[in-house]
Amino acid sequence: DGGITQSPKYLFRKEGQNVTLSCEQNLNHDAMYWYRQDPGQGLRLIYYSQIVNDFQKGDIAEGYSVSREKKESFPLTVTSAQKNPTAFYLCASSIVDTQYFGPGTRLTVL
Amino acid sequence: QKEVEQNSGPLSVPEGAIASLNCTYSDRGSQSFFWYRQYSGKSPELIMFIYSNGDKEDGRFTAQLNKASQYVSLLIRDSQPSDSATYLCAVNTNTNAGKSTFGDGTTLTVKP
Repeated sequence: DGGITQSPKYLFRKEGQNVTLSCEQNLNHDAMYWYRQDPGQGLRLIYYSQIVNDFQKGDIAEGYSVSREKKESFPLTVTSAQKNPTAFYLCASSIVDTQYFGPGTRLTVL
Repeated sequence: QKEVEQNSGPLSVPEGAIASLNCTYSDRGSQSFFWYRQYSGKSPELIMFIYSNGDKEDGRFTAQLNKASQYVSLLIRDSQPSDSATYLCAVNTNTNAGKSTFGDGTTLTVKP
């Protein structure tokens, strides 16, 4: 089955820790995206990548980092510099102009 | 002014009624328009996309686009309780790239 997978589904982080969220797609899409969603809010773009080995900052990149070493994978690291990381994180990929989303990772800071 | 604006709601309609969800956008160069449905605690799923002025129908859903007024809407006919969700409008200025701008969503409740 083609699709986008994210892991883990739930993640708990202690203050001061870096954590990495996984996003994998087997749809052969070139572009991939990371969004953050806070309760009752819309989607805010963190980073996006239109091609392997290239990525751009979105609207709220501070405290986050990404890599795009393979077409299929676009991991997001939430660093200790992100002061309020508790949120729902969504990964998406796109064919031409249409985005499709993974199931999300819910991150909670303890 | 936000680039993509939606009525925050909540919007409540009785079962069987027509639900009308509205979205306005600020960039006149916008080319493609999307509606996503997001159930509570889940990720958004694509319902429809529209590129040209006018109406596009898919089952109980109709998307309407008016580029002159910078307005896109989603009509849901014969609303069902299972349609209760948050609906996100997304706008793309480049049909060759997937980077979209999302509205904050409208929460719809369909009451039995």
